[in-house]
Amino acid sequence: AQTVTQSQPEMSVQEAETVTLSCTYDTSESNYYLFWYKQPPSRQMILVIRQEAYKQQNATENRFSVNFQKAAKSFSLKISDSQLGDTAMYFCAFMKPRYGGSQGNLIFGKGTKLSVKP
Amino acid sequence: EAGVAQSPRYKIIEKRQSVAFWCNPISGHATLYWYQQILGQGPKLLIQFQNNGVVDDSQLPKDRFSAERLKGVDSTLKIQPAKLEDSAVYLCASSLDPGLYPIQYFGAGTRLSVL
Repeated sequence: AQTVTQSQPEMSVQEAETVTLSCTYDTSESNYYLFWYKQPPSRQMILVIRQEAYKQQNATENRFSVNFQKAAKSFSLKISDSQLGDTAMYFCAFMKPRYGGSQGNLIFGKGTKLSVKP
Repeated sequence: EAGVAQSPRYKIIEKRQSVAFWCNPISGHATLYWYQQILGQGPKLLIQFQNNGVVDDSQLPKDRFSAERLKGVDSTLKIQPAKLEDSAVYLCASSLDPGLYPIQYFGAGTRLSVL
């Protein structure tokens, strides 16, 4: 069974600085997807960034980028130029593609609470 | 484009009572998911529908939880009778087709408190 581990329950960063959130996962699959979701106090999960395991290039979305190390099963999220609106819970998630019996559901880590301080 | 709609936002009930949650997915999304998020944890899948058929309910406590998706559009999740440990946020998500496009879009959730 797949597992996702986020070892940092809480982190804080000063506005405009850079912060990195860690995520490791365990799987025997070779093809899969990895995601970072943001959950602000409003509770709505918002997709931040996604990575396909077959792609060697790290995904980037504006101020958000990932460091995907497939051999190490590591998937960290870097937030540059942190903004007050980045304050939220961040969840790392794993998905097996929908073939070979998988139904394509997400497996989440426990989350990291990020606080951006002015 | 409208997002995933859920209601109610909050619900407080006493143990052994029943409760129902409603979800309307994004138009055209064939796949619908219900997740349970207990405080301090990540969401956990309860049930997944493809159109109006169940494709995964392996983690649904079937003695007390039930869900349906009539006509392959909106869905209801019911708990009867509720227990204290059912206190959680219940999130609904939808996707176009997880095989083709793996992004899931989430609603704002329903926070359930069982007293």
